[in-house]
Formats: sequence, C-alpha cells, structure tokens
Amino acid sequence: AQSVSQHNHHVILSEAASLELGCNYSYGGTVNLFWYVQYPGQHLQLLLKYFSGDPLVKGIKGFEAEFIKSKFSFNLRKPSVQWSDTAEYFCAVNANGYSTLTFGKGTMLLVSP
Amino acid sequence: GAGVSQTPSNKVTEKGKYVELRCDPISGHTALYWYRQSLGQGPEFLIYFQGTGAADDSGLPNDRFFAVRPEGSVSTLKIQRTERGDSAVYLCASSSIAGALYNEQFFGPGTRLTVL
Repeated sequence: AQSVSQHNHHVILSEAASLELGCNYSYGGTVNLFWYVQYPGQHLQLLLKYFSGDPLVKGIKGFEAEFIKSKFSFNLRKPSVQWSDTAEYFCAVNANGYSTLTFGKGTMLLVSP
Repeated sequence: GAGVSQTPSNKVTEKGKYVELRCDPISGHTALYWYRQSLGQGPEFLIYFQGTGAADDSGLPNDRFFAVRPEGSVSTLKIQRTERGDSAVYLCASSSIAGALYNEQFFGPGTRLTVL
C-alpha cells in the first residue's frame, strides 16, 4: 500500500519569503501526485497535479511542484508567499490502477504580514 | 456549476446513536468517495462508488459503517452505535473519471461529526 509523508507539520514565514514544503511517497509503481490546499473555513481545493511528462508542474496562484522519481518526492514551492497563502497544504498520491487518494498529514502554513 | 454539497455541516450525537451523513456530488460525476479526517491528520479513505455499486470499501473501519448510493448520484454514509472515536470531519468527493490513470477529485465542505 502507498503512503505519503510530509516533513513539516507547521511552517511560519514572513510575506515575500520563499516556500518549499516537502512530500515523499512510498510506492514502487506509477503514481499520480497532487497537492491540495485548504484555506481557513473552506473545503479542500486542488492546487496542482502531476500525471506524466514534464516533472515540473505549475499550479494556481504561483505554486509549482517538482516530481523527482529517484527520490520519491513531490515538493511544493512558491518563490514569494503572500499572507493569503495561509492555509493547510496536503500532498496526495493516487497509485496507478487505484482511484482513491492517499494523503499526507498536512502542513499548516502561516504567513505573517 | 454547483460543487459537491454535504449535509448536515455539523452533527452532534450521543454515544450509541445512529447517524446518517449525506453527499450530493457534482452532476454527472460517476465516481463518489468518502473520506474521514481526524484532528491533525490528512483525509483517510473510507469507500469509493462507481455508479451505484461500492467498488472499494476497504477503508471502512468496521461493520458499524455502511454507505449507499442507490441511484448513482446522492450517497449516504451511515454509522451505527456511534463511538467517541468516530468524531471527525467526514469528507465526500466526486470525480468524472475513475479507475483510470487520471483522477481528479472535487471535495465537499465536509460534515463535522461530534460524538459525546
């Protein structure tokens, strides 16, 4: 069975700082990878996804993630965070042939103005 | 168009009681999923429907949990003899493609269940 590990449970940054949230998964086969975001009081929303092709994927609001197959990683990045990026971020994996998602425990990001 | 909706948004019940949680997926989505999110954790898979049938119910924790989707649209998650450990946010998601390589799930706002 697949599993997902997010390295940081809480991250605090000042506005304009750069962001990198770590995500590693364990599964030997082909995977689809996702980052979801949950803003305060809102439901989970898809930030970006990787299915195949270019391992550097770009999502909404200036976020990007890089799939490094050799490291089983899919880290989320943003060059300059804003106060409105304060939210909880979840990495998820969908193993090829399975329709369900396996989520990490999430990283709470707090951006101070 | 309308997203995934879930009712009620909050449910408080007493230990031992029966509860039903409802999910209304995005119109036309054939796949529907239930997840449970406990405090400090990510969502955990419970059950997945393709049409009216449960394609995978391996995430249901025990036989007190049951879900139906009789007409292939609305789904109800049923919990019998609730226990305090069942307290969590129950999330529903739907997808237009399932069982294939690509799977993007759209989530509802969740039902927060509190068992006293």
